[in-house]
Order: sequence, then C-alpha cells, then structure tokens
Amino acid sequence: SAVISQKPSRDICQRGTSLTIQCQVDSQVTMMFWYRQQPGQSLTLIATANQGSEATYESGFVIDKFPISRPNLTFSTLTVSNMSPEDSSIYLCSVAWMGEPQYFGPGTRLTVL
Amino acid sequence: AQSVTQLGSHVSVSEGALVLLRCNYSSSVPPYLFWYVQYPNQGLQLLLKYTSAATLVKGINGFEAEFKKSETSFHLTKPSAHMSDAAEYFCAVSGGATNKLIFGTGTLLAVQP
Repeated sequence: SAVISQKPSRDICQRGTSLTIQCQVDSQVTMMFWYRQQPGQSLTLIATANQGSEATYESGFVIDKFPISRPNLTFSTLTVSNMSPEDSSIYLCSVAWMGEPQYFGPGTRLTVL
Repeated sequence: AQSVTQLGSHVSVSEGALVLLRCNYSSSVPPYLFWYVQYPNQGLQLLLKYTSAATLVKGINGFEAEFKKSETSFHLTKPSAHMSDAAEYFCAVSGGATNKLIFGTGTLLAVQP
C-alpha cells in the first residue's frame, strides 16, 4: 500500500465558488481515481486521472464542472466548480498499481452553503 | 455491465456473534471482487480481495469472504464480532484489478454489547 493524503480534509464553501482538492501519494502509482460519496450514499466514480493527458470522465460528470489534473505519477487535483449545495459530499481519491486493488485517501468533506 | 447488490443496509449483531454481510454481483466478465470498510469520518480501507485465485479469501481483522460463482455471491463473514467492527462495509466489483470499481450501497454494521 501507500500513504495517501488529501488537502483540505474538510471545507465549507459558498455557492458559486470553486474548490480545488489535492491528492498526494508517497510513491509512484499507475492509476489515480476520483470518487464522490454523497451524504448517506455509496461511492460513485467521477473520473480516472490520466498522467499527462485529459481525465476520463464517467457518465454524468463533465470536465467543466470537475476539471482534473495529474501532472505526474504521485499527484492529482480535482476542482469542484461553480458549487451548489448539491455538491456537498465527501470526495475521495484512490490509487492503484497494475494488478493491485485500489487504495483510498482519507477524503475531503465539502459543505456548500 | 457490472453491478453489486448488498442485502441489508443495516445489520446489528451482539458482541461475540457471527457477522454475515451479504453481497451479490453481476458481471459479464470474470469479476474481481473487494470488500472495503469505512470507519466514521475516515476513508475506505481494503479488507480483502478476490482475484480468481482461491475462492475463500482471508482478510484483515479476522474477516473472510467466499466467492461462489454458482450463486454470484461474495458474502463477508467474521466468526466473532468486536465492538471495533462497527462501521460501514462496501462490496465492490471491477472487470480487472485496477479497472474502475462499482460499489454496492453499503451495509452499516452495529455491534451491541
């Protein structure tokens, strides 16, 4: 496994603003993912963060709303843009090496007022 | 297409009793199956994984799961519950070890003294 950190751990934001969440791993990984966990719900994959190219988004998620960067093999960011209260969720990054399961970060708890 | 069904959103057991959390999957390809646990205000921790090797998989904290292809099931068990097992448990399926995870809706386990 690896040590995965996320910043911030939590935040309270005003509607219409944007928040960028960082995910840092202490070793190089093959794949990085971003998930959303809405209150009382399960996890839903937002996108796969691809190193050096555009992220691959799942149905229902678009780049304008959730831009993602992955400049190298240990770091990725997810931005939640033009936020509304419906964006209040826990956002989790996960990482994986080839042939290995995904390991998750501690999550970022976002509340939008 | 792949999907996971977890029967029972809430399960309550007495300390020392058997824990049984149910998971059924649907997959058009040989599945990789996982159980994750989420303690309050934390990220997800991998409990165990099935990747087409032994059908009985042993994980951390005394948990194990058995892959039954004929029943399309991957139920999680633990012989004797501890108070520290109280958490939410998620079953997940993927089409490969590092492909995207499809999560079940989760089962919240309560352990009564």
